[in-house]
Amino acid sequence: DTEVTQTPKHLVMGMTNKKSLKCEQHMGHRAMYWYKQKAKKPPELMFVYSYEKLSINESVPSRFSPECPNSSLLNLHLHALQPEDSALYLCASSQGGAQGRVSNQPQHFGDGTRLSIL
Amino acid sequence: AQKITQTQPGMFVQEKEAVTLDCTYDTSDPSYGLFWYKQPSSGEMIFLIYQGSYDQQNATEGRYSLNFQKARKSANLVISASQLGDSAMYFCAMREWGGGTSYGKLTFGQGTILTVHP
Repeated sequence: DTEVTQTPKHLVMGMTNKKSLKCEQHMGHRAMYWYKQKAKKPPELMFVYSYEKLSINESVPSRFSPECPNSSLLNLHLHALQPEDSALYLCASSQGGAQGRVSNQPQHFGDGTRLSIL
Repeated sequence: AQKITQTQPGMFVQEKEAVTLDCTYDTSDPSYGLFWYKQPSSGEMIFLIYQGSYDQQNATEGRYSLNFQKARKSANLVISASQLGDSAMYFCAMREWGGGTSYGKLTFGQGTILTVHP
């Protein structure tokens, strides 16, 4: 079992639907991430939250809307998605690092949500 | 230019044998960290091992060791005594200090699919 919990595990939705992906961690991590991963490809970073503030948005289309209600929760709101958005969506969290040095703390990933857009 | 290069799309190894998965990286940042992750077909990303740019010794974690050659900018993963459960996709990833503004952003290689034969 991973320490980062993602729900749902599978989601099928139409292009006009609105749905949300949820991610929860209780490791006290203050950085949380959303990734999109296509089959047999590496994860692509979408968003980074640091101390509940959006730090990085990798030019993600506005039909994806992230939200960080508190330090343990991360949501990804979905609206008017396209078939090419079908993918595995991974959430991750990590601690910060020592001052002046790159963090040696790994990102801990959830099991992902497999999203299919009809 | 690719920051992380994994040149082996697929590797095969006999059970109980050792295998080396290659990873080269490119950065001008003096402070960086290198990570290896395992992703089984079920989807979860499992952290395996970490090597920091200032670390003097090669990292080891159980059957995993990292052959870190800083001058060559390579960070190869060595798996000893392969097991059937080691069959998975393996990703090499790098985190750069970036003056502290990178917020822990990871850059992934394209991955290597390892198949362990009985």
